[in-house]
Amino acid sequence: DVKVTQSSRYLVKRTGEKVFLECVQDMDHENMFWYRQDPGLGLRLIYFSYDVKMKEKGDIPEGYSVSREKKERFSLILESASTNQTSMYLCASIPSGGRSKSYTQYFGPGTRLTVL
Amino acid sequence: AQKVTQAQTEISVVEKEDVTLDCVYETRDTTYYLFWYKQPPSGELVFLIRRNSFDEQNEISGRYSWNFQKSTSSFNFTITASQVVDSAVYFCALSPGSARQLTFGSGTQLTVLP
Repeated sequence: DVKVTQSSRYLVKRTGEKVFLECVQDMDHENMFWYRQDPGLGLRLIYFSYDVKMKEKGDIPEGYSVSREKKERFSLILESASTNQTSMYLCASIPSGGRSKSYTQYFGPGTRLTVL
Repeated sequence: AQKVTQAQTEISVVEKEDVTLDCVYETRDTTYYLFWYKQPPSGELVFLIRRNSFDEQNEISGRYSWNFQKSTSSFNFTITASQVVDSAVYFCALSPGSARQLTFGSGTQLTVLP
């Protein structure tokens, strides 16, 4: 089974702090994604990565950056956290090439971030 | 641009009732994939089903069934004889055939009362 883990289930930070959210997958997937989930808005894509050191902006990248130094790890960075970044953050992964024909993403358990 | 609409924000049913969750999508791609995910209170998204745009056959899996109609751009999900454990948020999602990103609907909160 694919396993996607996230470093924290719950996180409380203060406005202006730098925040790191970590995601690790153990199935050698090339593609990894960060979403945020807000009531009434569903999941919205922040950033994704097709390979190590590669990144692409999603629909709402403002205020975020990402890092992909190793294939299994994809980090989401909030350079200066703000209260409007209080949300649930979900990481996902999917393999490339022939293994990805189903385009089925596997999700981590989520990190509920509160910015005070 | 892709868009997924789940017009039902919240649905409440009594156990053993049947319930249908609606999903309408918009895409200009001729090849695409449609998905349903379940998010129980624990928070983790659980994959339920994937359908590609060339396969309009309805699918049944136990108490779950899906009705895909390209003519109306809909991919509805029915739970038969609902149970309390079905209580969750259900998301419909769309992925174009040329890409891997998912576009999600806003979700439907289903509450099944005992």
